[in-house]
Amino acid sequence: QKEVEQDPGPLSVPEGAIVSLNCTYSNSAFQYFMWYRQYSRKGPELLMYTYSSGNKEDGRFTAQVDKSSKYISLFIRDSQPSDSATYLCAMSAGNTPLVFGKGTRLSVIA
Amino acid sequence: EPEVTQTPSHQVTQMGQEVILRCVPISNHLYFYWYRQILGQKVEFLVSFYNNEISEKSEIFDDQFSVERPDGSNFTLKIRSTKLEDSAMYFCASRARGGIDEQYFGPGTRLTVT
Repeated sequence: QKEVEQDPGPLSVPEGAIVSLNCTYSNSAFQYFMWYRQYSRKGPELLMYTYSSGNKEDGRFTAQVDKSSKYISLFIRDSQPSDSATYLCAMSAGNTPLVFGKGTRLSVIA
Repeated sequence: EPEVTQTPSHQVTQMGQEVILRCVPISNHLYFYWYRQILGQKVEFLVSFYNNEISEKSEIFDDQFSVERPDGSNFTLKIRSTKLEDSAMYFCASRARGGIDEQYFGPGTRLTVT
């Protein structure tokens, strides 16, 4: 089983839709969970950061972590065409290298 | 807002040549990383660096690779003898001291080995 699994998409939604992006993982030692946004041929941009289980909200973005299920989610409300990018989940056990998912390519259609 | 910078943005080199990729991490950060992303694949960890020494490296980071922090601001990745399969985007990242793991990435250097 791969350490971090993420559906690569592509995912296409109309403007204004709620987007749900997900990752599953196998390593129960992971404690820190991040979502990065990556535009084509650019560096990953940190969007959300969560420690352990729970929810975190920042504007239109909500990150959820369910450690019991080894499942993390990123929700984007009122999606905009500018949200079109690849979304990468990443996680670590603490002071260890980040392990990334493959990324989900999102297109928000105006 | 402080950011990680990388130079060059694109490097083309011939197989067997040495390349040095440069990064300027965020100024108060203490932990530095290199990752790479082969086109269409995952971002993969190469090496982490703290207190002027390598703290962890992946199996990708073999003897052909080295890292250095030659002064108080730059952080470099050297590939001694490039191979075709080294063609990828190379990202530098940094994070501040503490128990948190937020890593901030630079824009990347696209390395093309011909």
